[in-house]
Amino acid sequence: AQTVTQSQPEMSVQEAETVTLSCTYDTSESDYYLFWYKQPPSRQMILVIRQEAYKQQNATENRFSVNFQKAAKSFSLKISDSQLGDAAMYFCAYRSALRNDMRFGAGTRLTVKP
Amino acid sequence: KAGVTQTPRYLIKTRGQQVTLSCSPISGHRSVSWYQQTPGQGLQFLFEYFSETQRNKGNFPGRFSGRQFSNSRSEMNVSTLELGDSALYLCASSFPDREYTEAFFGQGTRLTVV
Repeated sequence: AQTVTQSQPEMSVQEAETVTLSCTYDTSESDYYLFWYKQPPSRQMILVIRQEAYKQQNATENRFSVNFQKAAKSFSLKISDSQLGDAAMYFCAYRSALRNDMRFGAGTRLTVKP
Repeated sequence: KAGVTQTPRYLIKTRGQQVTLSCSPISGHRSVSWYQQTPGQGLQFLFEYFSETQRNKGNFPGRFSGRQFSNSRSEMNVSTLELGDSALYLCASSFPDREYTEAFFGQGTRLTVV
C-alpha cells in the first residue's frame, strides 16, 4: 500500500522568508501524481501545486515550487517570500494513475511570523 | 463556476443513530470521493463514485456507505453511529481524465456524535 510521510508536524517561518516542507512516500508504482494541499482554518482543502511522476521538471506555481526526487521518493514544497496568508496546515498527497483515491500525509502546520 | 457544495455544514447526532451527508460536485465532474478527517487518523479515503458506481473503496466498515445519482450528486450514509465517527467529512469532485487530475474539495461537514 502507498504511504505518505510528513516528518515535520509544525514549521515556522518569518514573513518574507523561505521555508521548505518535507514529504516522502512509498510506492511500487511508476505512474502517479503528487500534490500539496493547503487547509486554512476555514477547513477547505486548496490545491497548492501538483506534480506528475512522468515529468522530470519540477512544478512551480508563483511563490510555490517543489523538489521532486523520484528515485528517493521525496517531494518537498518550497514557499518563497512567505506571507501571513500562507499560514495553514499543508498536506502532501499521493494519487495512483490507476485509481482516483488520494493518500495523505499527516500534515505540517505552518506558522508565519510577522 | 460553482464549487463543491456539502450540506449540512454541521451536524450533531446521538450514538446509534444514522446520518446522511450530501455533496454536489462541480458541474461536469463525474467523480466524487469522500474522505474522513480526524485528529488521530488524519485524512482517510472512504470511497469514490463515478457514473453512479462505486469505483474505489477505502478500509472502512460496512456502516459507511454511499451512492451517486444521475446528476453526479452524492450522498454518504453512516449507520449505527459511534463516538469515533465524529470527524470532518470532506467531499472532492474531479474530472477523471489523465490531464485533469485535480480534486476540488468542499468545505466539509463537521459531524459530532454524542
